[in-house]
Amino acid sequence: AQSVAQPEDQVNVAEGNPLTVKCTYSVSGNPYLFWYVQYPNRGLQFLLKYITGDNLVKGSYGFEAEFNKSQTSFHLKKPSALVSDSALYFCAVRDRSSNTGKLIFGQGTTLQVKP
Amino acid sequence: DGGITQSPKYLFRKEGQNVTLSCEQNLNHDAMYWYRQDPGQGLRLIYYSQIVNDFQKGDIAEGYSVSREKKESFPLTVTSAQKNPTAFYLCASSLAPQGSGYEQYFGPGTRLTVT
Repeated sequence: AQSVAQPEDQVNVAEGNPLTVKCTYSVSGNPYLFWYVQYPNRGLQFLLKYITGDNLVKGSYGFEAEFNKSQTSFHLKKPSALVSDSALYFCAVRDRSSNTGKLIFGQGTTLQVKP
Repeated sequence: DGGITQSPKYLFRKEGQNVTLSCEQNLNHDAMYWYRQDPGQGLRLIYYSQIVNDFQKGDIAEGYSVSREKKESFPLTVTSAQKNPTAFYLCASSLAPQGSGYEQYFGPGTRLTVT
């Protein structure tokens, strides 16, 4: 079965420190990979995606993610965290062979950045 | 939240009543989706539509119904058959989904409470 795992329910980091939010997936072939962020009582905002090419993808608000095919991972990173980065982060994947556009989401990781 | 609107933001209903959630997009996207979000479970796909007058069941369609009479609109009806309807409902849209790396854009969500 296809699945996405975000092994940490919550990540705590001090402002100014680097942050990593982990994501691993189990999908056949080479999936499309996405990261979204959600602020309280709001919809999801797209951060970045991996389609093909360079394994390091840069996105909005200084975030980046590294695709690792051998480890089937797509970890989200930021060199220097801001308090305003505190939110709920979702990793999602789509099977390239799918004709539905269906996204499979992880359960989400709450990022808490403390001053 | 881009060009997707959802209304109302909060909705309260008595058990046994049907309720319809609105979703409108002005992005000229072909595909539209409905997700349900529960704490700690990520997002689960209810229904999706790739073209006007066509839609398919997602992973948790029981107790829900949709229509797609216009490209811009994809309303979701939560029927009395849905056993646990209290949740946060998110609508999304994207360009042609088949085999593409297009990201989905999300609306602000509707929080439904059924008592």
